Amino acid sequence: SQQGEEDPQALSIQEGENATMNCSYKTSINNLQWYRQNSGRGLVHLILIRSNEREKHSGRLRVTLDTSKKSSSLLITASRAADTASYFCATVPGNQFYFGTGTSLTVIP
Amino acid sequence: SAVISQKPSRDICQRGTSLTIQCQVDSQVTMMFWYRQQPGQSLTLIATANQGSEATYESGFVIDKFPISRPNLTFSTLTVSNMSPEDSSIYLCSVATGAQEAFFGQGTRLTVV
Repeated sequence: SQQGEEDPQALSIQEGENATMNCSYKTSINNLQWYRQNSGRGLVHLILIRSNEREKHSGRLRVTLDTSKKSSSLLITASRAADTASYFCATVPGNQFYFGTGTSLTVIP
Repeated sequence: SAVISQKPSRDICQRGTSLTIQCQVDSQVTMMFWYRQQPGQSLTLIATANQGSEATYESGFVIDKFPISRPNLTFSTLTVSNMSPEDSSIYLCSVATGAQEAFFGQGTRLTVV
């Protein structure tokens, strides 16, 4: 399977705290992306990091990539209740997108 | 960006029947994909829908069970054939131009009884 694995599977934090989730994958990649899915809805793209990049920022999001370890992390700073959702990494070895197992984040107001 | 309209949004079907799901995009896109997402699980890629040729299926998925059409660059269908309760899932259409960003429809929630 080309599916990545994420941990933790579930994460519960207080509003204002930071949330970190990790993704490990198996294949070579062109890039790695993170998506968010609110309950019962389609996925929304958050951020993309290319295979030759090590870190990228977008607003309250920070993504790191370590291709030698085939791993990535997503940090959400100063979390809000509206950040409650499932988060998936997606690896893109060619033109297909393979999604990780996901982290369910709950931010408690 | 791309806006995807997926129909139906949900359906309840009898076992042994088939359901065709439609995916319409508001712009021409090179890549179209079909995913399955079982409750509380991740997305599993079923196949890549190729315009004008047969779809490319992932391991574990076959054309007889999930026939796919893609007559042009803005439209695709996925049929779930001879359904059983194990096919109950959310089916998602996705599009991308290159490998930059994938856009998703709202999904079809299928229940087989």
